[in-house]
Amino acid sequence: GESVGLHLPTLSVQEGDNSIINCAYSNSASDYFIWYKQESGKGPQFIIDIRSNMDKRQGQRVTVLLNKTVKHLSLQIAATQPGDSAVYFCAENKGGSGGSNYKLTFGKGTLLTVNP
Amino acid sequence: DADVTQTPRNRITKTGKRIMLECSQTKGHDRMYWYRQDPGLGLQLIYYSFDVKDINKGEISDGYSVSRQAQAKFSLSLESAIPNQTALYFCATRDRSNTEAFFGQGTRLTVV
Repeated sequence: GESVGLHLPTLSVQEGDNSIINCAYSNSASDYFIWYKQESGKGPQFIIDIRSNMDKRQGQRVTVLLNKTVKHLSLQIAATQPGDSAVYFCAENKGGSGGSNYKLTFGKGTLLTVNP
Repeated sequence: DADVTQTPRNRITKTGKRIMLECSQTKGHDRMYWYRQDPGLGLQLIYYSFDVKDINKGEISDGYSVSRQAQAKFSLSLESAIPNQTALYFCATRDRSNTEAFFGQGTRLTVV
């Protein structure tokens, strides 16, 4: 069955270091993948997405890498700051016809803690 | 003002009671969703709607119902609340191009 999972439930880094959050997926039919950030007491916020026909995409201080061969997705945060402390979710969108392109399947999340 | 507003933000209710969670959005999106989040878990889809006349069940719809009163409003009801429905509930909207979803602040529901 389809699933989106994360390798590590928690990640602790020092301020200024780079962070890497990993995600494994099993549904080859997913047409794009999204990373969300959820701060305490708030709803998830979109960070960056990547289409399945890409292997890398960069945003402001963030880079997402997609390895379809091993069905692995990662989010890299450069120069991590205290404000980056949050739970990070990867999600996959299953494309296709017949209304099936609605669905975002979320992983369990990784708690990132940035130490000053 | 928030683009996606959920009310109430917190609610404690008793087993067997009916409760409604409301969501309104100002983004003009036609797609709206209700998700449930349990501690340490990701978000699970309860119901989704592509427009006022289109309502669809998600992964965990049992025990829940929804109403799309207008394009901007999507409410979730628990007909007879039970303790294992204690969770954080999120409403979200997306546009037709399937780009990012915008989430509300969440409703923390406790069923005692």
